[in-house]
Parts: sequence; C-alpha cells; structure tokens
Amino acid sequence: AQSVTQLGSHVSVSEGALVLLRCNYSSSVPPYLFWYVQYPNQGLQLLLKYTTGATLVKGINGFEAEFKKSETSFHLTKPSAHMSDAAEYFCAVSVVTNFGNEKLTFGTGTRLTIIP
Amino acid sequence: NAGVTQTPKFRVLKTGQSMTLLCAQDMNHEYMYWYRQDPGMGLRLIHYSVGEGTTAKGEVPDGYNVSRLKKQNFLLGLESAAPSQTSVYFCASSESRQTDTQYFGPGTRLTVL
Repeated sequence: AQSVTQLGSHVSVSEGALVLLRCNYSSSVPPYLFWYVQYPNQGLQLLLKYTTGATLVKGINGFEAEFKKSETSFHLTKPSAHMSDAAEYFCAVSVVTNFGNEKLTFGTGTRLTIIP
Repeated sequence: NAGVTQTPKFRVLKTGQSMTLLCAQDMNHEYMYWYRQDPGMGLRLIHYSVGEGTTAKGEVPDGYNVSRLKKQNFLLGLESAAPSQTSVYFCASSESRQTDTQYFGPGTRLTVL
C-alpha cells in the first residue's frame, strides 16, 4: 500500500524567500505524484503533477517539484514567496496496480504562512 | 462552466438527524468522489463513483451512503448523524480515472451537535 508523508505541518517563510515544502512517499510500484493547494475557505486545486517522463515538473504560480526516485521524494519549491502563496498544500500519491485498481492518497497537509 | 458545485455550504444538525449533500459537475466527468477533511488528517475518501449508476466504498464509508443516478450529480447521505461526522466535506470529479486531475467543489461545513 502506498503512503505519503509531509514533513512539517506548518512552515513560515519571509516574503521573497525560498519556499520548500517536503513530501516523501512510499510505493511498491511507480507512482503518480501531485501537489494540490487549498486557499482559505476554498476547495483544493491542482498545482502540478508527475506521471512519467521529465522528473522536474513546473506548475502554476511559479511552483515546481522534482521527482527523486532514489530519495522517494517530491518536494515543492518556489524561488521567491509572495503573500498570495499563503495557503495549505497537500501532497498526494496515486498508484495503479497490476489489476488496474487505482488509489489516491493525500498527505496531512502543510500550512504555509508568509511573513511580510 | 461552473465546475463542481456543492449545496449546502453550511449545515448544523442534531445527533440522529439525517441530511443529504448534493454535488454537481458540468464537465461530463465519469468519476466523482466524496472526501472529508479533518484537522491534521488531510483528506480521506468516503465513497466514489466511476460512472452513472455506480458507487464504491472508500477509506471511511461507515455512516454514509451515496447515489449517482445522473452522471452530473453525486449525493452523499447521512442517515443518523453523529458528532464524529462533524467535518468539512468536499466533492470532486475527474475525467476518467483517479490519477487524472481531480477538480474540487468549495466544500460543505457540517456540524453535528
């Protein structure tokens, strides 16, 4: 069974500083990996996803993530934080088994606070 | 396109009462999902549907029932609400599989007293 761990339930960074949100996964088969963002009082929306191919994935709002198989990680980064980035971020992993079954599992989320 | 909509946005129930949450999508998606979100626990899948007339259990199905009589609608029912069902409920849809991008509704905040 797959699982996903987000290190740090709360992260604070100064405006203009690097954003780094950590995500590690476990999976016995090649995973699909996602980052979703949830702004206050809203539903989740997709930031970016990795399925196959290039391991560095670029998403919306200047975010990117790199799939590192050897480290079982999919950390989310942004070079320069903006006040509008304040939100909760969820990493998710999905696998497709040999029987064609799919399961998407979300991490517990990281709340990002931007300090003016 | 409205995307995914949910009604109601807020609801307060007394223990033992019943209610139905409605989810509608206008993207012609095959798959639809109901999640609950609780602090520190992320999103947990309650039930899902892979097409009109189908439903399947997710991770935390107990105490909930669902129906998908029309492709665009997915209903979540609570027959006898309990305080443990106090949560924020999100509906989502995806085109044809769970690994497709999921599109979420704005959520329903339910409090059970």
